[in-house]
Amino acid sequence: QQPVQSPQAVILREGEDAVINCSSSKALYSVHWYRQKHGEAPVFLMILLKGGEQKGHEKISASFNEKKQQSSLYLTASQLSYSGTYFCGAGGSQGNLIFGKGTKLSVKP
Amino acid sequence: DAGITQSPRYKITETGRQVTLMCHQTWSHSYMFWYRQDLGHGLRLIYYSAAADITDKGEVPDGYVVSRSKTENFPLTLESATRSQTSVYFCASSQEVRRTDTQYFGPGTRLTVL
Repeated sequence: QQPVQSPQAVILREGEDAVINCSSSKALYSVHWYRQKHGEAPVFLMILLKGGEQKGHEKISASFNEKKQQSSLYLTASQLSYSGTYFCGAGGSQGNLIFGKGTKLSVKP
Repeated sequence: DAGITQSPRYKITETGRQVTLMCHQTWSHSYMFWYRQDLGHGLRLIYYSAAADITDKGEVPDGYVVSRSKTENFPLTLESATRSQTSVYFCASSQEVRRTDTQYFGPGTRLTVL
């Protein structure tokens, strides 16, 4: 079952903040976040692991609530380059990812 | 350093024809994956492979066949294409399928079945 992402879409002005949520009905062992720009491949942003460890490559923060099986991605002081569709991938015990349907983020000047 | 490549990038075919989408990675990653991406559905896993000659079904495997005779290649075959298989197909790879492993995606193949 796919994790549920909310909101489905959000429009921001440059400098505004956004939160994207990811919720799973199954036990989560890890949450992976990817961003995809139009016509391009998804690009890795961050991994959150059970126990609180985070691994990422960009200055984007996230949280992982193991009890609620939820993760949130925090985008602060948004830039035009943040525009794209954000996907969370729910990692199960075997490591395979089930992706959510995505959240489309549009940042306007 | 090519990374992960897919070919063709665009393909138009007709219902009932066989189509093979190619995926090649230069990292010697153990795991490879095929996803399809459709509006309203996000990325859905079709098949994955843990190593050469080891493959397993994902969420939506019906109508697809995969093989992996070499670590670096993971072709996806639609044996008899249907219109519902019109989609963008992404191949991905990771060193291992563990909780901490990143999947790296290829550029995608846009397939249209008429």
